Amino acid sequence: DAGVIQSPRHEVTEMGQEVTLRCKPISGHDYLFWYRQTMMRGLELLIYFNNNVPIDDSGMPEDRFSAKMPNASFSTLKIQPSEPRDSAVYFCASSLGLGGPADTQYFGPGTRLTVL
Amino acid sequence: AQSVTQLDSHVSVSEGTPVLLRCNYSSSYSPSLFWYVQHPNKGLQLLLKYTSAATLVKGINGFEAEFKKSETSFHLTKPSAHMSDAAEYFCVVRDYNNNDMRFGAGTRLTVKP
Repeated sequence: DAGVIQSPRHEVTEMGQEVTLRCKPISGHDYLFWYRQTMMRGLELLIYFNNNVPIDDSGMPEDRFSAKMPNASFSTLKIQPSEPRDSAVYFCASSLGLGGPADTQYFGPGTRLTVL
Repeated sequence: AQSVTQLDSHVSVSEGTPVLLRCNYSSSYSPSLFWYVQHPNKGLQLLLKYTSAATLVKGINGFEAEFKKSETSFHLTKPSAHMSDAAEYFCVVRDYNNNDMRFGAGTRLTVKP
C-alpha cells in the first residue's frame, strides 16, 4: 500500500482565497483524521470520520473550515476564506479502528500551507 | 480530561549513548499511550504503543517505553543513539472513554557525532 496520500504537498495562497486540501486514506481503514501542526499550538486534532461520517469536529477552529468525506477513499479539508493565521502543516491520518491493536494512526506527509 | 506533558523540549545526546525522553500523563480512565516520531518534513510514524497489556513495550528501531501507573509516566528509551534517530518525538495519550487523543508538545532529539 502507498500509505496515506495528501495533496498538494505545498500550497501558497493569498488571504481571502479558498484552499482545498486532499487526502486518500489507506484502503480498508475506517477512520480518517485531520490534524493541524503549528509551532505555537503543536499538533491539534481538527476532525475525524468513521466510515465517512464526521464523528467529532470540535477541533475545527471556526466556520471557515469544513471537511467532507464523500467516499471511503477520499476526504477534503477546505478553508474559505483563508487567513494568514491558517498557515500551518495539515496532516491527514487513517486507522483501522479505535482501541486495541487497530488503534494505530498512519500519517500522510502533510500539506504545508502558507497564506500571505 | 486527559493531558500529556513532555518534560524536555530538547534533548541532545552523543551517538552511541543512551536516550531518555520523558513523558508524564494524566487520565481519568485506563489510557492508551503512544510514542510517535517525526523526521523533518515528514509525517508522524508510530514507534510503539501501550494498550493495557505488558507494561514494557518494545517498538521499532530499538526503542522501548515502560508504563508506570504509580508515576503516571511513559518514558521512551533507547540503549544506544544513532544519528538517524535525530527527530521530533511526540508522546500521545488516549482515554478510551471519550476517544480523545492528546499530543504532547514534542521533544526534539539531537544526536551529536
